[in-house]
Amino acid sequence: DQQVKQNSPSLSVQEGRISILNCDYTNSMFDYFLWYKKYPAEGPTFLISISSIKDKNEDGRFTVFLNKSAKHLSLHIVPSQPGDSAVYFCAASAHYGGSQGNLIFGKGTKLSVKP
Amino acid sequence: DAEITQSPRHKITETGRQVTLACHQTWNHNNMFWYRQDLGHGLRLIHYSYGVQDTNKGEVSDGYSVSRSNTEDLPLTLESAASSQTSVYFCASSDSGFGNEQFFGPGTRLTVL
Repeated sequence: DQQVKQNSPSLSVQEGRISILNCDYTNSMFDYFLWYKKYPAEGPTFLISISSIKDKNEDGRFTVFLNKSAKHLSLHIVPSQPGDSAVYFCAASAHYGGSQGNLIFGKGTKLSVKP
Repeated sequence: DAEITQSPRHKITETGRQVTLACHQTWNHNNMFWYRQDLGHGLRLIHYSYGVQDTNKGEVSDGYSVSRSNTEDLPLTLESAASSQTSVYFCASSDSGFGNEQFFGPGTRLTVL
């Protein structure tokens, strides 16, 4: 049973427009959420995160929104650039019972930003 | 600069052979992780370690083992490689505690024939 779901395998956006990547989760114990970006033949790189006590976190062109009641988070990229073309993974962790917050990953969404 | 490295980057082996993938980090992180990435599955946790001499099974640990004899290294061993273990393997490390992101290595592409 998938605890973290990214239901869109791919997304295509025009350069300069907004990209919105979505993620749903089922485990109400998750208290920390992260987005990773992955280029081909490279390891994932951390992009942005949000704690469950917040509903928004912003870093430059990237903003993550968290809706706890809906168990939903989204990543907004504004404006989108061709270099943003990559696979984006949503991840979640829970810190209880001695856990150091192991990450549970979604399957990823491949973003293509067209010039 | 601190980094996390993996070797080899590419490996082809035969069914039944023992294979060890190396992971080395210079961040001085307590936590280290091994994942595999497969099409349609995202990243799945194989084993993890919260410190020297500590190892734990992840979601897909069957057929794999790890050992942690120092802070810097967490080698992943496939005891008897199977074709189902053909995958891309990523090692990651992080500090202990809440809110610490994991840093990933560049990956090892393993093919089992």
